[in-house]
Amino acid sequence: QKEVEQDPGPLSVPEGAIVSLNCTYSNSAFQYFMWYRQYSRKGPELLMYTYSSGNKEDGRFTAQVDKSSKYISLFIRDSQPSDSATYLCAMSRMDSSYKLIFGSGTRLLVRP
Amino acid sequence: DTGVSQDPRHKITKRGQNVTFRCDPISEHNRLYWYRQTLGQGPEFLTYFQNEAQLEKSRLLSDRFSAERPKGSFSTLEIQRTEQGDSAMYLCASSRFDQETQYFGPGTRLLVL
Repeated sequence: QKEVEQDPGPLSVPEGAIVSLNCTYSNSAFQYFMWYRQYSRKGPELLMYTYSSGNKEDGRFTAQVDKSSKYISLFIRDSQPSDSATYLCAMSRMDSSYKLIFGSGTRLLVRP
Repeated sequence: DTGVSQDPRHKITKRGQNVTFRCDPISEHNRLYWYRQTLGQGPEFLTYFQNEAQLEKSRLLSDRFSAERPKGSFSTLEIQRTEQGDSAMYLCASSRFDQETQYFGPGTRLLVL
């Protein structure tokens, strides 16, 4: 079993929809939680960063972390065709060199 | 802040050849990471430098792989005697010592024929 599980999709939604992306993890020692966006054949781009449990909002994006359930989410409001990409969740620990452990990514397609 | 850069962006080589990739991190970032990503998967950690010291290596990093970061600036990743299974995107990321967030370069896509 992988440390971080993520539904690969693809997830197809109409423009303007609210998108919910999720990851579960098994290691309760993770402290830092991130979401990256990756366009085809490009490097991952940092979208959101959260430390421990709680919510964080940045424009159309909201990240949620529930450490008790080992579950993290990314919500995208008013989705746009330009949001079509692969979304990767990642997490790390201070006592493990902060190296990132990634999910396998969810492919999102926003239809005009 | 020009971002993390990687060179080359693409490399096609024949099985058995050696290849070397370069990563230039964001200036002032003293942490540097290498990851490997295969199709349909998330990046997997390979190795980590703090300044010039290589502090951690993954079991994925076989003896054919070697990484250096002389003077704590740019880093190189060399693969000797390449195999078809080495075909992947090789990603470099950097971060400041007081930050947990890592910033990725565009990657080097390797194809071993």
